[in-house]
This record gives sequence, C-alpha cells and structure tokens, in this order.
Amino acid sequence: QVQLVESGGDVVQPGRSLRLSCAASGFTFSGYAMHWVRQAPGKGLEWVAVISYDGGSEFYADSVKGRFSISRDNSKNTLYLQMNSLRVEDTAVYYCAKSGTRIAAYSWYFDLWGRGTLVTVSS
Amino acid sequence: QSALTQPPSASGSPGQSVTISCTGTSSDVGNYDYVSWYQQYPGKAPKLMIYEVTKRPSGVPDRFFGSKSGNTASLTVSGLQAEDEADYYCSSYAGSNVGVFGGGTKLTVL
Repeated sequence: QVQLVESGGDVVQPGRSLRLSCAASGFTFSGYAMHWVRQAPGKGLEWVAVISYDGGSEFYADSVKGRFSISRDNSKNTLYLQMNSLRVEDTAVYYCAKSGTRIAAYSWYFDLWGRGTLVTVSS
Repeated sequence: QSALTQPPSASGSPGQSVTISCTGTSSDVGNYDYVSWYQQYPGKAPKLMIYEVTKRPSGVPDRFFGSKSGNTASLTVSGLQAEDEADYYCSSYAGSNVGVFGGGTKLTVL
C-alpha cells in the first residue's frame, strides 16, 4: 500500500525542540525527493522544506531556516524534521509529501501526502 | 517567498463551470511551468489534481483543467458536482529550490 505516515507531533513550550518522522511504504522511497508542508489551524498550506532523493541537498522556507532541519534514512524508508527553537507561530499540522521527481527542482509538485501530525507550541 | 494570490471563495451550481485564479509574479508562476493544484476536504490531506500547469494524474477526472497565462494560473472545474466542494490550493516553484502556495479558495457547489 502506497502511503506516508507521520508521527511525533506533540504539545511543546516555546523554545523547545521536537522531531517529526514520516514512514514511507509502497514505493521506492530512495528514488524521490521529499517535502514537509505545514498548515496552521484554519489557514492555508505553507511549504517548509525539501530534501533530495539521496539526502545530498536540502532547502528551507525563510520562516524556518536556521531552526528546522530535514533529513532522511533511506535504509529505513523514513523522513525526518528536526524542529528547534519552536515558536507559537510554528503551531500547525505537519504533512510529509512525496515529490514526483528525484530532485524537487526538476518539477515542483507533491503527488502523495500523509495524513499529518499536529504540533502545538504553547506555554 | 510571498504567497500566491487566490480568491478566498468561488461557487457554482451543479453542472456549471467555475474557474479559480492563482496570481504570482515573474519569479514564480510566470517563470516556471511548475504550477500544481491540490484539493483538500476538511480535516483531510491535500490531493494532487493538476501538475506542470496542465497535466492530470491518473484518476483525476478530465473535468479538471489547468492553464496559465503570464503570471496567473487557473484551475477550471467543469460539470460541477457536489463532491467538488472543497478547498483548492495552487502551488508554484519559485526558483532556488523553494516553493510557494496560494492562500486557498473555498469552492462551494450551490
């Protein structure tokens, strides 16, 4: 079954850290770039980060640059998002999403999404 | 990385056609044919409906049509059905390995 399953969402205080995971199955995980996209409650989608098929390159939205780190373990078919120095405005459902290509810039779209995991940053 | 501009809402009666616009700049929509559209039901994950401006993934009805002119992309839904009522988001590549979404449009089938 082709799917992505996120986990790791929690309620955390501002300034703390959290790591999200995304388990992939049903497709050749190592053959595709992977993204994180978030959606604040009642708001629209916001692209967060992307990592190439081999983990060799990663890129971030300005809103998370320097605080978030995307990584992957192709041997475990798992994508990660390390979130540090969390802010109230980082509160959102975080989706992992599969790119249609090995390198995201070859064609920018998301053809498979997980169900998301909720991160709440609150004191 | 400014968000693309979409109308907050759109509506149409069953059987009619409706078009949702997505306006960017010459740095994103106008410079790349990497515009995609997503359908999202409340509480659910988004679903890819259109990619590379005009292409439909397998399983997406041909009632959904994508186009682009200059800095504005559009999604047209023809033969509206009740099941089309959802939020729709556009997305574009913005160069330098970053992307941007539109603010979303709530489509209501009257």
